[in-house]
Amino acid sequence: GQQVMQIPQYQHVQEGEDFTTYCNSSTTLSNIQWYKQRPGGHPVFLIQLVKSGEVKKQKRLTFQFGEAKKNSSLHITATQTTDVGTYFCAGPNDYKLSFGAGTTVTVRA
Amino acid sequence: EAQVTQNPRYLITVTGKKLTVTCSQNMNHEYMSWYRQDPGLGLRQIYYSMNVEVTDKGDVPEGYKVSRKEKRNFPLILESPSPNQTSLYFCASRAGGYEKLFFGSGTQLSVL
Repeated sequence: GQQVMQIPQYQHVQEGEDFTTYCNSSTTLSNIQWYKQRPGGHPVFLIQLVKSGEVKKQKRLTFQFGEAKKNSSLHITATQTTDVGTYFCAGPNDYKLSFGAGTTVTVRA
Repeated sequence: EAQVTQNPRYLITVTGKKLTVTCSQNMNHEYMSWYRQDPGLGLRQIYYSMNVEVTDKGDVPEGYKVSRKEKRNFPLILESPSPNQTSLYFCASRAGGYEKLFFGSGTQLSVL
């Protein structure tokens, strides 16, 4: 069955630095979604990418969907303490939505 | 306010004692789903429902039951809980198709 993998599992970032988290699927995806879960909270939808090669920005967050629609990335610029949390990508698998294991981000002030 | 409501927030029980975690959404969503979250494994889907009286297995359905008698409610039933079902559980709903998921606040379950 479809597998969605994310790397790295943990990302420790100095405040103000940039980082990228990657998501890879074993199959071609019709779309990909990204969610953020703050510590102690629940996942919250960030964005959905649909088109091959699509790039979307939300302030300091840049999301990209690969040309082959099998991978995606989230790049955060000038990391802030508010970026702390776990970021999940998710891809549809028939009527299911398969989540990656997530990238947990901590920020050093 | 549009929301998915789960209860209880925390639950401690013993092996074999049947329990139900409730989930309700007020957005008239057709699709509802249950996930469990374990460290290093992300969110794994337990069951989902496309509409009233329509349910199907996710990736980890063993040991769980669900029902969808009304559109707004989607309870998760553990008939004989075991310690390996200790986890953080999330209910989620969406309007349909590939729409975004709305998650409940979660239920932290401990089975002793």
